[in-house]
Amino acid sequence: DAMVIQNPRYQVTQFGKPVTLSCSQTLNHNVMYWYQQKSSQAPKLLFHYYDKDFNNEADTPDNFQSRRPNTSFCFLDIRSPGLGDAAMYLCATSGPGASSYNEQFFGPGTRLTVL
Amino acid sequence: GENVEQHPSTLSVQEGDSAVIKCTYSDSASNYFPWYKQELGKRPQLIIDIRSNVGEKKDQRIAVTLNKTAKHFSLHITETQPEDSAVYFCAAREGGKLIFGQGTELSVKP
Repeated sequence: DAMVIQNPRYQVTQFGKPVTLSCSQTLNHNVMYWYQQKSSQAPKLLFHYYDKDFNNEADTPDNFQSRRPNTSFCFLDIRSPGLGDAAMYLCATSGPGASSYNEQFFGPGTRLTVL
Repeated sequence: GENVEQHPSTLSVQEGDSAVIKCTYSDSASNYFPWYKQELGKRPQLIIDIRSNVGEKKDQRIAVTLNKTAKHFSLHITETQPEDSAVYFCAAREGGKLIFGQGTELSVKP
């Protein structure tokens, strides 16, 4: 089945220790998104890729970086996690083009704990 | 930019009753409005969406209405069941992004 996969599902890291979260998709969608979701809040968009074009949200901290080496994979790097970065991180995709009416398909999320 | 306001933040209904959640948006250029259901610890899942050229859409017990003039849209769930208990998010599309409302925690009591 076509889907959005996130690994790991649960990640524990130490304060200040870099961590990478991964997302892969078999939908062949050209748009990929990374969201941060804290308890009882709406998903907050961090950035998105339209093909290889990177779009950063204005309020996304520099501590968060992303890479998209190919259509199928996208990574979220947190360079120096702080306690406030503990959250669920959701990857989503849409296609064939962001300007048309497209549902966003969400992955199961990675729950990040910072000790 | 787009701003989406969602009300109420919590809603408790008795099983079998109807539930209504309302959202307003600010950007008249927005043209796509999805509703997502998120159960505890799970991913948001699309339950229904509506495009700006349509005023109402139904799917079994779920319906969405859109008033473009007033810039608001609503989710209606009829004959609620305990499994409808979840957090519901409305959203409006701005360019290639979805702008989410704050969420409504729906509790359906048996």
